[in-house]
Amino acid sequence: KNQVEQSPQSLIILEGKNCTLQCNYTVSPFSNLRWYKQDTGRGPVSLTIMTFSENTKSNGRYTATLDADTKQSSLHITASQLSDSASYICVVIWYGGSQGNLIFGKGTKLSVKP
Amino acid sequence: DAGVIQSPRHEVTEMGQEVTLRCKPISGHNSLFWYRQTMMRGLELLIYFNNNVPIDDSGMPEDRFSAKMPNASFSTLKIQPSEPRDSAVYFCASSLAGGQGEGETQYFGPGTRLLVL
Repeated sequence: KNQVEQSPQSLIILEGKNCTLQCNYTVSPFSNLRWYKQDTGRGPVSLTIMTFSENTKSNGRYTATLDADTKQSSLHITASQLSDSASYICVVIWYGGSQGNLIFGKGTKLSVKP
Repeated sequence: DAGVIQSPRHEVTEMGQEVTLRCKPISGHNSLFWYRQTMMRGLELLIYFNNNVPIDDSGMPEDRFSAKMPNASFSTLKIQPSEPRDSAVYFCASSLAGGQGEGETQYFGPGTRLLVL
């Protein structure tokens, strides 16, 4: 069964600290993996899109890694800021037949405290 | 650009009533997606359109849900009759191309928060 599992469910860190969020998937065949940031009360915003052949992709203080062999991805946030408080959602896209299919993780809720 | 526009932003209705959610995608985008988000199930894709044609509606929960895209700049998601378990945040997203390929970012609207009493 195609699944995306994220951990931890929630995380509290102090401003300025680094953190890493995990995403494990069992999706096959794999097309690409995405990380979204969702602020409270708003729609998700795309952070990174990674294909099978990409190991690392950065977007400012956000760095996503992908290990397609172990089917694991992580999102590392450097020098966290209060504005990083949000839910982070991992999405894996696979192709079944002629079209893509999106499998969503339930997200990790990050709280950055001063 | 105004981004994806959704209306209403909040909707409270009683069980059995018809609910219509509206979406205006980003101009020039060819694909439009409807999602539902709940605490229990997270984000779920309900249906998506490409060039105004429904491509995959396998995520639509049941016949009470229907979606239309009469033109490139407007889509509706209708629930009739509504039930309390339909309470959720409904998001619309659009993308320049198919929205699922490696270079195709989806842009989400602010969502409609639906509460069915």
